[in-house]
Amino acid sequence: QQQVKQSPQSLIVQKGGISIINCAYENTAFDYFPWYQQFPGKGPALLIAIRPDVSEKKEGRFTISFNKSAKQFSLHIMDSQPGDSATYFCAASALTGTASKLTFGTGTRLQVTL
Amino acid sequence: DAGVTQSPTHLIKTRGQQVTLRCSPKSGHDTVSWYQQALGQGPQFIFQYYEEEERQRGNFPDRFSGHQFPNYSSELNVNALWLGDSALYLCASSRDLDEQFFGPGTRLTVL
Repeated sequence: QQQVKQSPQSLIVQKGGISIINCAYENTAFDYFPWYQQFPGKGPALLIAIRPDVSEKKEGRFTISFNKSAKQFSLHIMDSQPGDSATYFCAASALTGTASKLTFGTGTRLQVTL
Repeated sequence: DAGVTQSPTHLIKTRGQQVTLRCSPKSGHDTVSWYQQALGQGPQFIFQYYEEEERQRGNFPDRFSGHQFPNYSSELNVNALWLGDSALYLCASSRDLDEQFFGPGTRLTVL
């Protein structure tokens, strides 16, 4: 029940296109959903996060869409750039508990081509 | 403002040895979490420390232990290393239950 399933495993998008990464969860206690961006040899960097009281959150070219009834959330990267080429991880946490353990998806390797 | 720092950057050990990894949290943060990231996988939660106590633990054996110091820095110790412990070890800090910020990690290779 702690799993977070992420798809696709890899994604190739042309420069200027839209990149879409999807995640699904099972644990209804999850109430915090961050996305992390990781470059090779680096630690994950927090990109954007959402809580289930809103259905969408936008920060610059990055948008999270959240569907509570379907237990799904997705990351949209508009106007994708070569510098966005990285591995993206969705995660989930139940912050109402006594700790904030993050459960991660398996990652999506994004390549933005010229 | 320095972010989360970890040391060492890389480490090579042999099977059966013990290792200690170190983490200094971001300024103003009091909570430290440790994660193990195998090659090509997402990070897996090891444990979280708050107020010098282990607050939550993931599905890792007792060979993995930790400590948090009064200045909020933390150590991860792994005993009886085996090949499967080779991974990137990530430290994340936060202000209690708030957003977690990750350090660059320590790459551990067990031969």
